[in-house]
Amino acid sequence: GENVEQHPSTLSVQEGDSAVIKCTYSDSASNYFPWYKQELGKRPQLIIDIRSNVGEKKDQRIAVTLNKTAKHFSLHITETQPEDSAVYFCAASDGTGTYKYIFGTGTRLKVLA
Amino acid sequence: EAGVAQSPRYKIIEKRQSVAFWCNPISGHATLYWYQQILGQGPKLLIQFQNNGVVDDSQLPKDRFSAERLKGVDSTLKIQPAKLEDSAVYLCASSLERYGYTFGSGTRLTVV
Repeated sequence: GENVEQHPSTLSVQEGDSAVIKCTYSDSASNYFPWYKQELGKRPQLIIDIRSNVGEKKDQRIAVTLNKTAKHFSLHITETQPEDSAVYFCAASDGTGTYKYIFGTGTRLKVLA
Repeated sequence: EAGVAQSPRYKIIEKRQSVAFWCNPISGHATLYWYQQILGQGPKLLIQFQNNGVVDDSQLPKDRFSAERLKGVDSTLKIQPAKLEDSAVYLCASSLERYGYTFGSGTRLTVV
């Protein structure tokens, strides 16, 4: 089955700097890769996603890149702000057509003011 | 639109007791998921429903966990008997299409 690895587990950056979180997946049939942000005690919320037919997608300060050959995808946050501090999870669809996601283990991002 | 509703928000029980969680998905969403999120880990799928049928329950510990989705709308997840390692947040999610689903606020279960 699908396996998703996520790095780093924790990341501290200065306000205004960029942050990059990387994930790898194992199932070459995976075709959808969402990213979720989870603030302390709250539900995971979808912040950006990418389908396998594109290599990059951008939404204001966040962007996601996908390398299908290498089976890895990354989240990029530019001009980080304190409110970006949260746990970020990557996920990959499982490739069987049942539309379920396999999640990474999460990255705790701290933006230092 | 209204979000995914879950209750209770918190639950503390003793080991070997039973507990049930309830989820009401977004109206019209055919697919419903239950995930278990242990502290410091990513969500892990327990069961997936399509309308009122089970699509995948391969990761559900069936000796103690059960779930149902009556009439293809609300769903309940039950644990009987609970173990200490069941302490986690139980998240319900629903989706209309294959891309992007919405999570509820979760039920935080503590087994003591």
